[in-house]
Amino acid sequence: GENVEQHPSTLSVQEGDSAVIKCTYSDSASNYFPWYKQELGKGPQLIIDIRSNVGEKKDQRIAVTLNKTAKHFSLHITETQPEDSAVYFCAASGNNFNKFYFGSGTKLNVKP
Amino acid sequence: EAQVTQNPRYLITVTGKKLTVTCSQNMNHEYMSWYRQDPGLGLRQIYYSMNVEVTDKGDVPEGYKVSRKEKRNFPLILESPSPNQTSLYFCASSQQGDYGYTFGSGTRLTVV
Repeated sequence: GENVEQHPSTLSVQEGDSAVIKCTYSDSASNYFPWYKQELGKGPQLIIDIRSNVGEKKDQRIAVTLNKTAKHFSLHITETQPEDSAVYFCAASGNNFNKFYFGSGTKLNVKP
Repeated sequence: EAQVTQNPRYLITVTGKKLTVTCSQNMNHEYMSWYRQDPGLGLRQIYYSMNVEVTDKGDVPEGYKVSRKEKRNFPLILESPSPNQTSLYFCASSQQGDYGYTFGSGTRLTVV
């Protein structure tokens, strides 16, 4: 099956700086890549996603890039704010879009 | 409010005592899925369902059962729980397979 690796496991930035989280995947048939944000005591929440026919997608301060050749995708958060502090997960759909494979998570800490 | 509701939120049980975690969604979603979350491992898919009476195994199905008799409900059954099933469980639903999922708030299960 698919294998998704996520780095770094923890990331600490100063408020206003940018944060980048990177993921790699193994199955070249994967075609859907969502990102989730999980706050303490809550379930993951979809924040942005990208499909294999798109190289980049942006939503306000959040952007995701996808490099299908290298099989990696990244989450970019600009102008970080303390409320961005959470655990972020990347995921890939694998060759069966009913199955999802998650990265191990990145704990982002935004210092005021 | 559109949501996925899981019950209970917390559960402590003993080895071998059958239990069911309920999951219900009010968004008329076709797809539903169960995940378990363990430290350092991210979320791993247990079972998923594409529609009523249609279910399939995820990555870690051993020791679990599911059923989908109604579109809105997708219970997770542990017929003989063991300590290695101590985990945080999430139910999620989506309007289609390759689309972002809405997650419930989680069920923290401890098996002693």
